[in-house]
Amino acid sequence: DTGVSQDPRHKITKRGQNVTFRCDPISEHNRLYWYRQTLGQGPEFLTYFQNEAQLEKSRLLSDRFSAERPKGSFSTLEIQRTEQGDSAMYLCASSDRTGDHFYGYTFGSGTRLTVV
Amino acid sequence: RKEVEQDPGPFNVPEGATVAFNCTYSNSASQSFFWYRQDCRKEPKLLMSVYSSGNEDGRFTAQLNRASQYISLLIRDSKLSDSATYLCVVNGDKIIFGKGTRLHILP
Repeated sequence: DTGVSQDPRHKITKRGQNVTFRCDPISEHNRLYWYRQTLGQGPEFLTYFQNEAQLEKSRLLSDRFSAERPKGSFSTLEIQRTEQGDSAMYLCASSDRTGDHFYGYTFGSGTRLTVV
Repeated sequence: RKEVEQDPGPFNVPEGATVAFNCTYSNSASQSFFWYRQDCRKEPKLLMSVYSSGNEDGRFTAQLNRASQYISLLIRDSKLSDSATYLCVVNGDKIIFGKGTRLHILP
């Protein structure tokens, strides 16, 4: 399977705990994105990487959130001290974007986080 | 005006009918446009890109109206399997998703 993989698919955690999600993009894609989606809303941008460089972070990404892509391949998204408002689907996407050309994302299946 | 706006629906349409919905955008400098389909509790999947001249893929037709700043999606001969949420994506100075339009095809 050469698609975008995310792990885990589901995560239930107690408020205050830390969680970490992993994303493996399509291998030839140089850009990797994290989005968050809540019920009835479109995906909201969190952050993106070009290779290993984190180029943009949304204001939605509070200091409890951190993302890494250490070798320009897989990425991790960590949420510290989780809150109930963090409950959402966390989507990873990758794209092969060069210059101004953008050919659309390929999304992973997402990690559904429930904070209880 | 919101950056990207869609009618949330739901659109309840009998099987076999034609349905169309629009997506408006505020950034006149937006460069590329897409329609994504999202099934319940699944990830969004690229349905089609939207080209300036309009494009068709089977029963689906996408059009771009730059003057009025909207894109449209037309589905002909709708099938039960077309029931989903349709998200528009606009690539301007940043990539923005609409909230989606829910479509229910009724048997």
